[in-house]
Amino acid sequence: AQKVTQAQTEISVVEKEDVTLDCVYETRDTTYYLFWYKQPPSGELVFLIRRNSFDEQNEISGRYSWNFQKSTSSFNFTITASQVVDSAVYFCALSEVNSGGSNYKLTFGKGTLLTVNP
Amino acid sequence: DAGVTQSPTHLIKTRGQHVTLRCSPISGHKSVSWYQQVLGQGPQFIFQYYEKEERGRGNFPDRFSARQFPNYSSELNVNALLLGDSALYLCASSQDRRGEQYFGPGTRLTVT
Repeated sequence: AQKVTQAQTEISVVEKEDVTLDCVYETRDTTYYLFWYKQPPSGELVFLIRRNSFDEQNEISGRYSWNFQKSTSSFNFTITASQVVDSAVYFCALSEVNSGGSNYKLTFGKGTLLTVNP
Repeated sequence: DAGVTQSPTHLIKTRGQHVTLRCSPISGHKSVSWYQQVLGQGPQFIFQYYEKEERGRGNFPDRFSARQFPNYSSELNVNALLLGDSALYLCASSQDRRGEQYFGPGTRLTVT
């Protein structure tokens, strides 16, 4: 069975600090996708990134970066120079790719509430 | 381009009643998925529909049902509401069964 663990329930930082959100996953499949979503107070989940299990290259997008390590089943998310607007709940998610090539079912972690204080 | 839209935004129902939630996907997207998010938890997968057929179902009772229309919009129906059905119901659309899922703003259902 798939499982995603986000051990950090809440993190509070001061603006301009760097912050890393941890994500550890479990799956028996060799082909899967990993995701990060942001959920601001409005409730809408905002897609941030998708990585497939065969691509372990780290990725950087502006102030955001992601570190995928298959050896430790981790997919961590770092925000550099955090801003107040980064305050939100962040979810890590996993989907397995079935024989039909579908990744329909996302399994989410419980989320990490990030508060960035001015 | 318009994102995923859901209606209504908020809903209050009484135990035992029935509710219908609606979702319109992003233009060009053919797949719609439904998730339930209870306060303080991550979303839980309920259904996926693609080309008007159910392609996946989560661990939810038969009181939950859904359908997808020819224009790819979708409805989620919940019968015999329980207090525990109170949650944010999220709809996500993707171009096909493999694409990234983009979520709507959700419908917040309160059962009293």
